[in-house]
Amino acid sequence: DAKTTQPNSMESNEEEPVHLPCNHSTISGTDYIHWYRQLPSQGPEYVIHGLTSNVNNRMASLAIAEDRKSSTLILHRATLRDAAVYYCTHSGGSNYKLTFGKGTLLTVNP
Amino acid sequence: DTEVTQTPKHLVMGMTNKKSLKCEQHMGHRAMYWYKQKAKKPPELMFVYSYEKLSINESVPSRFSPECPNSSLLNLHLHALQPEDSALYLCASSQAWVAGSYEQYFGPGTRLTVT
Repeated sequence: DAKTTQPNSMESNEEEPVHLPCNHSTISGTDYIHWYRQLPSQGPEYVIHGLTSNVNNRMASLAIAEDRKSSTLILHRATLRDAAVYYCTHSGGSNYKLTFGKGTLLTVNP
Repeated sequence: DTEVTQTPKHLVMGMTNKKSLKCEQHMGHRAMYWYKQKAKKPPELMFVYSYEKLSINESVPSRFSPECPNSSLLNLHLHALQPEDSALYLCASSQAWVAGSYEQYFGPGTRLTVT
């Protein structure tokens, strides 16, 4: 199963960028890196995923280290609605399961 | 439409009851999942269905019985549950169960309380 390490919590101010780090040193060469977030009282929500190259979508950017053992989720301008638990995980190869770690609780201050 | 719906939203059941949780998606996804989430913990995978066949059972007790009647529906039948089974039960779906490259879409969950 995927093993990831994330800070327990981070804090940001509204309209500022947020960089959420994740270490995934056990990742295999064919694993995709996934990020999900879970707002209070809701199911997890897909944010972004990638394999090797940096990825952008309307929600966020994903920066993947060259050795792929770490990644950073970038929220370019945090809003109050981005306050959530952010989970990073990886899956692929012979193990397609998403195994969620403890995640990072992001607090956004107005 | 990227919605996964789950019913009921809340369920309270006694230890001798039989109940079912339902999940539905109309995205044409061929993989569906059940997760269990205890308070302040991450979701834990229970079952994976791929093309309506059970692909993964994460050693879940037999008092939880999944069923996939067709490609859009996923049920979780509950019988003789214990109070420690109280949790949020999440359903998810993805385009396929291959390569780990497909994102999963989650429903809002069913909050289950076993008394």
